Parts: sequence; C-alpha cells; structure tokens
Amino acid sequence: QKEVEQDPGPLSVPEGAIVSLNCTYSNSAFQYFMWYRQYSRKGPELLMYTYSSGNKEDGRFTAQVDKSSKYISLFIRDSQPSDSATYLCAMRRDQGAQKLVFGQGTRLTINP
Amino acid sequence: DAGVTQSPTHLIKTRGQQVTLRCSPKSGHDTVSWYQQALGQGPQFIFQYYEEEERQRGNFPDRFSGHQFPNYSSELNVNALLLGDSALYLCASTLLDTQYFGPGTRLTVL
Repeated sequence: QKEVEQDPGPLSVPEGAIVSLNCTYSNSAFQYFMWYRQYSRKGPELLMYTYSSGNKEDGRFTAQVDKSSKYISLFIRDSQPSDSATYLCAMRRDQGAQKLVFGQGTRLTINP
Repeated sequence: DAGVTQSPTHLIKTRGQQVTLRCSPKSGHDTVSWYQQALGQGPQFIFQYYEEEERQRGNFPDRFSGHQFPNYSSELNVNALLLGDSALYLCASTLLDTQYFGPGTRLTVL
C-alpha cells in the first residue's frame, strides 16, 4: 500500500466550476501538508502549505486537512482554463527540510 | 532572483551508461533534494544534501549517488543505467521549510 493515495483522474470540468481534489494517507506521523501544481514539462510549483488539521484559504484556493480521517483536500473556486495542470499532494513528518512524500497527481482540465 | 536551474534539459543515454545531472539552487538556499518522477507518477525522493553531506536517502540503489559543492550546487550521478531509470529528475532547494523545484531534466534510456 502506498503511503499517499491520490486519484490520478483525469478530471475534466467546465470553466467556473468548483473543483475538489483529494488525497488519503496512511502514516499518522505526517504533520505538514502541501499542494503543488505542475504544468506539462515543468517542475512542481507550491500552491498551498498547511500544518496539522484545519483550513487555509488563498484567493480561489482552499486547502483542508482532517488528520483524524487522514484525508486532505484542495478546492478551486471559479476555475479557469489556466488552472489546467496536474495537482500533486505532498506531505512530510517533521519541520525542516525533510523529504516530501507525494501522491500520484491528478490531471485536471478546465474546459472554456 | 533566478529560480532553481537544472541542466541539461533533456538527455538520451543507452543502457549501461553513466549520467550526471546538475542543479543550481535559488540564491541563499543551502539544502538540495533530488526526486525522480516517472511518467504519470508523483515525484519520489532520492536523497538530500546539506553542507556537502548526504543528510537523508530514499529507497534508491547505490547506483544513484550525489554531491554538493561549497556554493550549494549539486550533482546527481546514475551508473549502469537501466531502462527503468527513464524519468524526469527534479531538483529542489529549501528555504524556511519550503521546497522550490526546478524544471527538471528528462532522461531517456534506450
């Protein structure tokens, strides 16, 4: 069993829709949770960074962490064609520059 | 401010050969991590360098080795290449808990 599970999609939605992306994990030691966006043939770009359980909002993006269920989510409101990319969840145990454990990535397409 | 840079962009090798990939971190970043991303998969951690020492290593064989220089730049070396080593190799540098990724080097092994 993988430490982090993420539905690879692909996911296709119309412009303006609310998008929900999710990951589950098995290691209860994970405390720091991230969402990265990766455009085709590019490196991952950090979108959201959260510590422990709770919600964090940044513009059209909201990250949620539920440690009791070992479940994290990323919501995108008013989705735009420029949001079309692969979204990777990532997590790590400790503070500091420790290794990240990634999900498989979900490929998202926003249709105009 | 330049981001993380990697060279070369693309590389084609044959089985059994050796390859060296290079990474320059963002200015002021002293920690460099390397990841392997197979097609359709998330990145997998190879190892991390800090103060020219390997600080942490993932589940990769000894064929994968690295080095960090005094200016914090880093190299990833892979010996005895296998077809399964074909992937995007990502370098990330760290500042204040956040890892910033470079564009990657796409390695194809024939």
